[in-house]
Amino acid sequence: NAGVMQNPRHLVRRRGQEARLRCSPMKGHSHVYWYRQLPEEGLKFMVYLQKENIIDESGMPKERFSAEFPKEGPSILRIQQVVRGDSAAYFCASSPLSTRETQYFGPGTRLLVL
Amino acid sequence: QQQVKQSPQSLIVQKGGISIINCAYENTAFDYFPWYQQFPGKGPALLIAIRPDVSEKKEGRFTISFNKSAKQFSLHIMDSQPGDSATYFCAASGTSGTYKYIFGTGTRLKVLA
Repeated sequence: NAGVMQNPRHLVRRRGQEARLRCSPMKGHSHVYWYRQLPEEGLKFMVYLQKENIIDESGMPKERFSAEFPKEGPSILRIQQVVRGDSAAYFCASSPLSTRETQYFGPGTRLLVL
Repeated sequence: QQQVKQSPQSLIVQKGGISIINCAYENTAFDYFPWYQQFPGKGPALLIAIRPDVSEKKEGRFTISFNKSAKQFSLHIMDSQPGDSATYFCAASGTSGTYKYIFGTGTRLKVLA
């Protein structure tokens, strides 16, 4: 029973490029959360999605960031025109419908913007 | 009001000792309080979680103590081992029905052999 999968694990982008981060939730989980962790800091909520729906994006910057969770395939967090301040670890978590409060985290994608 | 305050920032404990990490919250609508363990370069792993209707929960060497009136909860690691050396995060959720977590800032624990 595979856990939450994220890829790539490491991503290097130059300023102005696009970063695309993928998350495959645990089997049977239909709720996906994205969090960002800056160096030496805690995790900050960004967005909560269910299949084909964004439920809560209150933690997501208004510009350049977007997220989706299509009917088929992984959830995608997209960052357009990256800046150095976007360098961070981005974690995806999933939860099952039966115990929605329990979130299982993936290994994260470490984004470095040069 | 959405903050979760965690202390200490770092902690050094001798092998076999007790590690204690504290968290405090303001929002009384929180109703789920998990603790996560994170090793360098890894994702957070759920350790143990508690709801406000109980004052203590124990799983192996890990215990959560919960004080609803004081709006505080703590993690106790008994018989701490060098393998417990990691960063520990408390979190709270339940305010909006979305179950998003509000995390504490983390405690870096080092257990000396």
